Amino acid sequence: GAVVSQHPSWVICKSGTSVKIECRSLDFQATTMFWYRQFPKQSLMLMATSNEGSKATYEQGVEKDKFLINHASLTLSTLTVTSAHPEDSSFYICSASGSGNTIYFGEGSWLTVV
Amino acid sequence: KQEVTQIPAALSVPEGENLVLNCSFTDSAIYNLQWFRQDPGKGLTSLLLIQSSQREQTSGRLNASLDKSSGRSTLYIAASQPGDSATYLCAVFKYALNFGKGTSLLVTP
Repeated sequence: GAVVSQHPSWVICKSGTSVKIECRSLDFQATTMFWYRQFPKQSLMLMATSNEGSKATYEQGVEKDKFLINHASLTLSTLTVTSAHPEDSSFYICSASGSGNTIYFGEGSWLTVV
Repeated sequence: KQEVTQIPAALSVPEGENLVLNCSFTDSAIYNLQWFRQDPGKGLTSLLLIQSSQREQTSGRLNASLDKSSGRSTLYIAASQPGDSATYLCAVFKYALNFGKGTSLLVTP
């Protein structure tokens, strides 16, 4: 079946540095990818929607200059958290949509900013 | 804006009981609804996907129903086991997935 690979699974970075999270669709072309964030004891919240070859659409309250999303190919989207701070520590998860309405999820990335 | 509500927020049951988790959503114009399981420190596991034209889906001890017109879905777990302990999330999809806050389930031996 379709697989979405997300990397890294766990990352610890120093405050003020940037960290990149990759989301790859392994056996299908993902025209649309979604990035979500989940803080402890809260629901998953959509951060942005990215379509291959175009700028991402960010949800209200998400800083586009801080959370850079690149969807340069039909199999890869990246989320870069720039100048990370401890409050950015969270669970980030991507999902990808190919043909039809089926959504496939990556396994998620746990970010800890110290 | 789509709002998804899950009730109860937490549930503790003894092993062997049948249980029902509830999900409601405000905008019935959805393409599908999914139930996920989330274990601590892990990603999401998709349990059941119900297309908007379907009424229910079954997988093993799990049965999910969908009443799109009333904006409701239920996840029925039969003969619960300690290994079922996890957070269960409901999500509806139109242009993106909108998640509820989840139901934290604890099944005690």
